Amino acid sequence: DVKVTQSSRYLVKRTGEKVFLECVQDMDHENMFWYRQDPGLGLRLIYFSYDVKMKEKGDIPEGYSVSREKKERFSLILESASTNQTSMYLCASSLGGPGTEAFFGQGTRLTVV
Amino acid sequence: AQTVTQSQPEMSVQEAETVTLSCTYDTSESDYYLFWYKQPPSRQMILVIRQEAYKQQNATENRFSVNFQKAAKSFSLKISDSQLGDAAMYFCAYRSAVRGATNKLIFGTGTLLAVQP
Repeated sequence: DVKVTQSSRYLVKRTGEKVFLECVQDMDHENMFWYRQDPGLGLRLIYFSYDVKMKEKGDIPEGYSVSREKKERFSLILESASTNQTSMYLCASSLGGPGTEAFFGQGTRLTVV
Repeated sequence: AQTVTQSQPEMSVQEAETVTLSCTYDTSESDYYLFWYKQPPSRQMILVIRQEAYKQQNATENRFSVNFQKAAKSFSLKISDSQLGDAAMYFCAYRSAVRGATNKLIFGTGTLLAVQP
């Protein structure tokens, strides 16, 4: 079974902290994604990566950065956490083709206080 | 830019009945894939069904089927013989298949389906 693992289910951080959300997949997938899920807004793409060290901005990249040094790991970084970044964060991965299934992690509920 | 719209924030269905979830999308591309994903209360999202735009035949997976109307840019999901385990948030998603296009997976806002016993 494909597994996408996010490092934390729940996280509480203070305003201004630098926050790292880690995601690891075990199926040698080229594509990895970070989404933010908010009620009524669905899933909004923050960043995605199509290869090691390659990344592309999604729809809401402001306040975030990413790192993909190894194929299996994709990290989302909140440079200076703010309360409006309180949300559910979902990581996903897929093979390179457009029709391929995306596999999701269990999500990280981040609260910034 | 492509967009995906789900106009039904919540739906309810009786167990064993049939329900249809709506999805419309906007694109100028001719080649793409459409997906329905399910997010149960435990939160892990899973694929329900997928449809390639070039295929005229509607996709079917057991009790799940789609009504794909390419000209109308409509992609609805029909769940037959609804079961309690079908209760979840359902997301419609779009992905370009145009050569050279990015592999972004674009989601709608979701429909929360309740199944009444």
